[in-house]
Amino acid sequence: DTGVSQDPRHKITKRGQNVTFRCDPISEHNRLYWYRQTLGQGPEFLTYFQNEAQLEKSRLLSDRFSAERPKGSFSTLEIQRTEQGDSAMYLCASSLVDNGANVLTFGAGSRLTVL
Amino acid sequence: GESVGLHLPTLSVQEGDNSIINCAYSNSASDYFIWYKQESGKGPQFIIDIRSNMDKRQGQRVTVLLNKTVKHLSLQIAATQPGDSAVYFCAETSYGKLTFGQGTILTVHP
Repeated sequence: DTGVSQDPRHKITKRGQNVTFRCDPISEHNRLYWYRQTLGQGPEFLTYFQNEAQLEKSRLLSDRFSAERPKGSFSTLEIQRTEQGDSAMYLCASSLVDNGANVLTFGAGSRLTVL
Repeated sequence: GESVGLHLPTLSVQEGDNSIINCAYSNSASDYFIWYKQESGKGPQFIIDIRSNMDKRQGQRVTVLLNKTVKHLSLQIAATQPGDSAVYFCAETSYGKLTFGQGTILTVHP
């Protein structure tokens, strides 16, 4: 297993365009998380899945954002009609909850720049 | 809402010194805490965790202390090395999601 993979690593787009990020979690993990991180800040929670069910969404996740995990494996995060304020690092993480412990393993992130 | 914060945004130490990074949390219902290290251009990397029924946990060169009375968490790094230079985040879990603090930048001078 090579850990959590994210694609693309970098994306530059013009305002108003749609973008999609993909995350491939660690195969035996049942939870998958999306976070957003801006420079100098800690990661901010966006949403998470347990298997294919989306269990929680942050208020940060406006209606322009949608995340899916159709078969309980990989996930996609789509941002429609991008705005300059969407520029950030989008981090994916996965975990396997074990006896109360929930260690998230993060990918390297997908950096979005909206011009 | 609940938040996790850090007292010191930056910490500079000499190689070989011990480092202490502090964190305050506000959600008294939090039952699990994690320290992460993040290097430039990379995602956060797990360092050590601790459950709320413990006061102290030790790893290799790292120790986490939890004081539930004052809702305080600390990370101690022994014999700090240049490779320890990074941003360190504490995080707490409740109801499935992980909430991160702002982070402390640790710089280790050779």
